[in-house]
Amino acid sequence: NAGVTQTPKFRILKIGQSMTLQCTQDMNHNYMYWYRQDPGMGLKLIYYSVGAGITDKGEVPNGYNVSRSTTEDFPLRLELAAPSQTSVYFCASSYLSVLTYNEQFFGPGTRLTVL
Amino acid sequence: AQKITQTQPGMFVQEKEAVTLDCTYDTSDQSYGLFWYKQPSSGEMIFLIYQGSYDEQNATEGRYSLNFQKARKSANLVISASQLGDSAMYFCAMRLSGAGSYQLTFGKGTKLSVIP
Repeated sequence: NAGVTQTPKFRILKIGQSMTLQCTQDMNHNYMYWYRQDPGMGLKLIYYSVGAGITDKGEVPNGYNVSRSTTEDFPLRLELAAPSQTSVYFCASSYLSVLTYNEQFFGPGTRLTVL
Repeated sequence: AQKITQTQPGMFVQEKEAVTLDCTYDTSDQSYGLFWYKQPSSGEMIFLIYQGSYDEQNATEGRYSLNFQKARKSANLVISASQLGDSAMYFCAMRLSGAGSYQLTFGKGTKLSVIP
């Protein structure tokens, strides 16, 4: 199992550009999440999904969009990039079960800089 | 709304010594879970240990243990016999069991440095 994979690892955007951060998991997890981590801070939830076709906003959704057409993939779209979106972006997944801790498994992160 | 507080921005510990990383939480819910994650300089988030709010025993995973004091709303991480590889950021996080998203709320983290 590759776990949670994210592409790209690094990206520099100009103000106003758009891009999609890719996230794929091969663990058949139903829940998927996008977090951002600003310098010196903990992670904050941007969007989450409880299954294919179902998404909802987290704590900091402005400037982002998501879709979940399959169980495996959960891309994050940035429209009209702004310097405030400079951050490290983490995708995570978990499987809801009474038999586990339901811990979230994280991808390696994407470091995004908007200039 | 739930909140996680980690009051120690940075900690130093001598190799082979034990260290306690503090975490307090605030929630009015009765059913919740507490997690600790490690983030080395390479950036990935590594799950370490979990404590459920109804668990009567403190959680342990190898050299990691969680000192859970429910009345004080604290969930401190204890690392025994520190190793150089323990140098990293450590994040405490909480999940409300009744929340539909099962999202994690994170603290700001503690940077642990292990001294040889």
